[in-house]
Amino acid sequence: DTGVSQDPRHKITKRGQNVTFRCDPISEHNRLYWYRQTLGQGPEFLTYFQNEAQLEKSRLLSDRFSAERPKGSFSTLEIQRTEQGDSAMYLCASSSSSGANVLTFGAGSRLTVL
Amino acid sequence: AQSVTQLGSHVSVSEGALVLLRCNYSSSVPPYLFWYVQYPNQGLQLLLKYTSAATLVKGINGFEAEFKKSETSFHLTKPSAHMSDAAEYFCAVIIQGAQKLVFGQGTRLTINP
Repeated sequence: DTGVSQDPRHKITKRGQNVTFRCDPISEHNRLYWYRQTLGQGPEFLTYFQNEAQLEKSRLLSDRFSAERPKGSFSTLEIQRTEQGDSAMYLCASSSSSGANVLTFGAGSRLTVL
Repeated sequence: AQSVTQLGSHVSVSEGALVLLRCNYSSSVPPYLFWYVQYPNQGLQLLLKYTSAATLVKGINGFEAEFKKSETSFHLTKPSAHMSDAAEYFCAVIIQGAQKLVFGQGTRLTINP
């Protein structure tokens, strides 16, 4: 068990560019979550998958954001036409649908939009 | 909808003193409750969880929390603070059978030598 992996850890981009983050969950976990965290705030839910199905999306997830989990394993979060307000830490977590649904988080991907 | 309120965005204690971080939840049905810790530039690490078993829950690093339904609280305590406890602490709630974890705003714990 290598935990939840996220890549890249840091991304600096110019406004208007597209960025993509990848998350590799714990292999036996069928649920995968994306959260966004801005400085001094708690993580805010963006979306979650059970296997390959995206079951819930937050209103925070504008049309510029898209998340996929094509084979029920890794997931990608793409942000198109980035804005300075997108600067944040993007956290991925995974869990098992059995038991108390305890989320295990990755180290996060920090996005800075200039 | 469920929510979490953490009282005090910043708590400062002396090394060796009692740590008390406050969390109140709002939920119309029995919740699961969690405390996570976040060190600078890192993800969140689970400290402890309440899942409707014992109301006093022991976690890692000497932390514990008590679920009090009558007070809708889940405060985090540690008898004696250590310098390595300096971090951001988040309380979170999930309704049993639901899938989304909802976090509080966090409390930054500072330990004074």
